[in-house]
Amino acid sequence: GESVGLHLPTLSVQEGDNSIINCAYSNSASDYFIWYKQESGKGPQFIIDIRSNMDKRQGQRVTVLLNKTVKHLSLQIAATQPGDSAVYFCAEGGNYQLIWGAGTKLIIKP
Amino acid sequence: KAGVTQTPRYLIKTRGQQVTLSCSPISGHRSVSWYQQTPGQGLQFLFEYFSETQRNKGNFPGRFSGRQFSNSRSEMNVSTLELGDSALYLCASSWDRGNSPLHFGNGTRLTVT
Repeated sequence: GESVGLHLPTLSVQEGDNSIINCAYSNSASDYFIWYKQESGKGPQFIIDIRSNMDKRQGQRVTVLLNKTVKHLSLQIAATQPGDSAVYFCAEGGNYQLIWGAGTKLIIKP
Repeated sequence: KAGVTQTPRYLIKTRGQQVTLSCSPISGHRSVSWYQQTPGQGLQFLFEYFSETQRNKGNFPGRFSGRQFSNSRSEMNVSTLELGDSALYLCASSWDRGNSPLHFGNGTRLTVT
């Protein structure tokens, strides 16, 4: 069936550097993509979303890039901070239902 | 504005029992979705309710059921619990059942022994 996957299960980044978390999706008909952050003991927290009519969207210290040609989604976090340590999920929207990736754990090195 | 509230926070049940979990969505949100999260399977969609009607259902057995009340609060029930039902159950609400961000609660951690 359709699925959304993540390239790297764990990503280690030096504090202050930029982080890039990647995600591949398989359903070319999907028109909505979203990123969540989940800290230990908490539910997923919405970070940013993007619709298929856009290829880039920026938020506070975060940017989502969508490449529909290769069905690839990425989340860029600028100037990574210790508080960014979490598991990051991408999800693909279609038929009023989100299909979730497995998650990438972001580790911040001091 | 209060976020999504899930109760209880933790539950321990034995095999064969049943359990009911509760979710209060953000005020004004009419769509409520439920997810099961386990280390091995990630986030798995259970069902989604909108205006008291189940509009979408994931691939879970009939032991998993839910409902939504007129005030948008929702409950999910799991009957005849199995060890494999041990998981974090997450509730999320949104403005509508279209493609808008889900806002999650912190979940109910269910342990089945």
